[in-house]
Amino acid sequence: DVKVTQSSRYLVKRTGEKVFLECVQDMDHENMFWYRQDPGLGLRLIYFSYDVKMKEKGDIPEGYSVSREKKERFSLILESASTNQTSMYLCASSFQGAEGYTFGSGTRLTVV
Amino acid sequence: DAKTTQPPSMDCAEGRAANLPCNHSTISGNEYVYWYRQIHSQGPQYIIHGLKNNETNEMASLIITEDRKSSTLILPHATLRDTAVYYCIVAAYSGGGADGLTFGKGTHLIIQP
Repeated sequence: DVKVTQSSRYLVKRTGEKVFLECVQDMDHENMFWYRQDPGLGLRLIYFSYDVKMKEKGDIPEGYSVSREKKERFSLILESASTNQTSMYLCASSFQGAEGYTFGSGTRLTVV
Repeated sequence: DAKTTQPPSMDCAEGRAANLPCNHSTISGNEYVYWYRQIHSQGPQYIIHGLKNNETNEMASLIITEDRKSSTLILPHATLRDTAVYYCIVAAYSGGGADGLTFGKGTHLIIQP
C-alpha cells in the first residue's frame, strides 16, 4: 500500500516560531499536496507540487511556503506561526487521476 | 472544477443500504465524479469514481443519472465503520491529478446500531 507519512501527529508551537511540517511518500508519486482542515470550512488546498523543486499556490497560500528537494518529501513551512494557523494539516500524494490521492493521517498544529 | 451539493448529514441503520446523493448540475463533459470519505481523525480515502456509466467496486456502487447532473453513492450493507464524512468531487481527469482536488463540506453519514 502507498504510504504517506507525516512526521508529527500533534504539534504545539509558539506565535512567531518557524514551523516545519514534513511529509514523506514511498510510492514514487509525482504530485504532492498540502491541505488544511478547519471545522465548517472543510479541506482547503495550500500548496502543491508536481515535480521536484516545483511548487504551485493553492487556494490559501498566504503565510505558508513549501519545499520539495526530493521527490518523496514535501515540506510545509510556516515562516512565523500565528494563532490563526492552528489547524489540522493533511498531506497527500497522487500518481494518476483524481482517484489516486493518498492522504497522510494529519498533523494537528496548535499555535499558542 | 464544478461545484457539488450534498446534504450535510444522514443517518442509516446498520446492515441497510446507505444512499448518499450529490448534485453537480454544472458538470462539464470531460469531468468525472469522484467519491472520497474521511473517517474521524484520518485523512480522506478514495472510494470510487465514474464518468457516465454506473460503477461498482468492493466498497460501493456509483449511480450517475443520464444527464450527469446528479449521482448517488451506495454502500450496500452499511456497518458502524462506515460512519464518516463522504465527499462528492467533480474534476477533470488530468492524467496526473496534479492540480489538487476541491473538497466541499461533504455529508456526515452516521450508521446507527
